[in-house]
Amino acid sequence: AQSVTQLDSQVPVFEEAPVELRCNYSSSVSVYLFWYVQYPNQGLQLLLKYLSGSTLVKGINGFEAEFNKSQTSFHLRKPSVHISDTAEYFCAVRGIQGAQKLVFGQGTRLTINP
Amino acid sequence: DGGITQSPKYLFRKEGQNVTLSCEQNLNHDAMYWYRQDPGQGLRLIYYSQIVNDFQKGDIAEGYSVSREKKESFPLTVTSAQKNPTAFYLCASSAITSAASYEQYFGPGTRLTVT
Repeated sequence: AQSVTQLDSQVPVFEEAPVELRCNYSSSVSVYLFWYVQYPNQGLQLLLKYLSGSTLVKGINGFEAEFNKSQTSFHLRKPSVHISDTAEYFCAVRGIQGAQKLVFGQGTRLTINP
Repeated sequence: DGGITQSPKYLFRKEGQNVTLSCEQNLNHDAMYWYRQDPGQGLRLIYYSQIVNDFQKGDIAEGYSVSREKKESFPLTVTSAQKNPTAFYLCASSAITSAASYEQYFGPGTRLTVT
């Protein structure tokens, strides 16, 4: 079984500042990792995913994440945020074998202040 | 446009009534999922189905039921046995036979309020 911990429930930052949203996971098997974004009262949209290969993954809207197997982490970063990045962000994991169930973290609410 | 539709967006019911949430997809995906979202708890899996006429319980299936009679449809019934049904419900789908199967696509959600 897998579990995901998002270390910050809320992250406030100023516009144009860099941001890092932290995600740690636990699993006894190899995993795939995902970051999703949710705008208010909407569904989830995939930002990026790590399946294999390069540990630095680039996604949409200028976001990137780095897979660190030794630290079982998959932190999300953006060098300069915009007001439009205000949303809730979810880290998710699934085992590479077996059922395709995703396990989600609790979410991090990112608030961008002008 | 391909995607997932959920209806209605907002739903109000009296306690003790069963209610069915609709989920339809035209992505030709084999797998479909139902999640429940509560503030500060992320998404929790209720049921999932990988093929027509077959489905499995997720982590919080008690008080819910589903059917999968057609590939494109996966309705969720919230029964009167669900002790705390007020929540935001999200439906998702994914392929299972190609590299694209690693990603789940989500609908816009249904917010259910039971009073």
